[in-house]
Amino acid sequence: NAGVTQTPKFQVLKTGQSMTLQCAQDMNHNSMYWYRQDPGMGLRLIYYSASEGTTDKGEVPNGYNVSRLNKREFSLRLESAAPSQTSVYFCASRDRGNYEQYFGPGTRLTVT
Amino acid sequence: EDQVTQSPEALRLQEGESSSLNCSYTVSGLRGLFWYRQDPGKGPEFLFTLYSAGEEKEKERLKATLTKKESFLHITAPKPEDSATYLCAVRGQNFVFGPGTRLSVLP
Repeated sequence: NAGVTQTPKFQVLKTGQSMTLQCAQDMNHNSMYWYRQDPGMGLRLIYYSASEGTTDKGEVPNGYNVSRLNKREFSLRLESAAPSQTSVYFCASRDRGNYEQYFGPGTRLTVT
Repeated sequence: EDQVTQSPEALRLQEGESSSLNCSYTVSGLRGLFWYRQDPGKGPEFLFTLYSAGEEKEKERLKATLTKKESFLHITAPKPEDSATYLCAVRGQNFVFGPGTRLSVLP
């Protein structure tokens, strides 16, 4: 039982490049989330998916897109990376009726 | 707008020196207040959920309490392995996280 897994762990992009961050959970959770974490700030919600087939914007969605591929997988795409997107990205999941979120290990992204 | 602040920003304790971390919040329709522990380079790890004022939860050397405006994480006789960043979050319309308190426990 791996919990929440994320790939890659580290990535360096040049401005304007695109990439997809992958997230998978094996806990049969309905809801999945993408956050970014910057120094001195709390985790900020980018997008979330309450259930398979649905996605909604969070606090900071600009410059990102998501896909809920199936119940297990939720990916985050940067179409044209910008230096302001340099951050650590965390994926999380939770079960229906339970507000406790379980987080992955994170992806550290640097955009130069 | 839902908001969470945490104080202090950083705290250094000697091993065995008890203290408390504060989480102040404003939220419309609190559906839960959460404490997480985050070690460097890792994702947050869930500790506690509190739902209503007066509620308390305990786990080893940690005890979380909740009032209508704030929550405290009390650390009793801490050990060096308790060193981490402690995050507070609330669930209203969405989840909102505080910036965290970075705790260092010196041997």
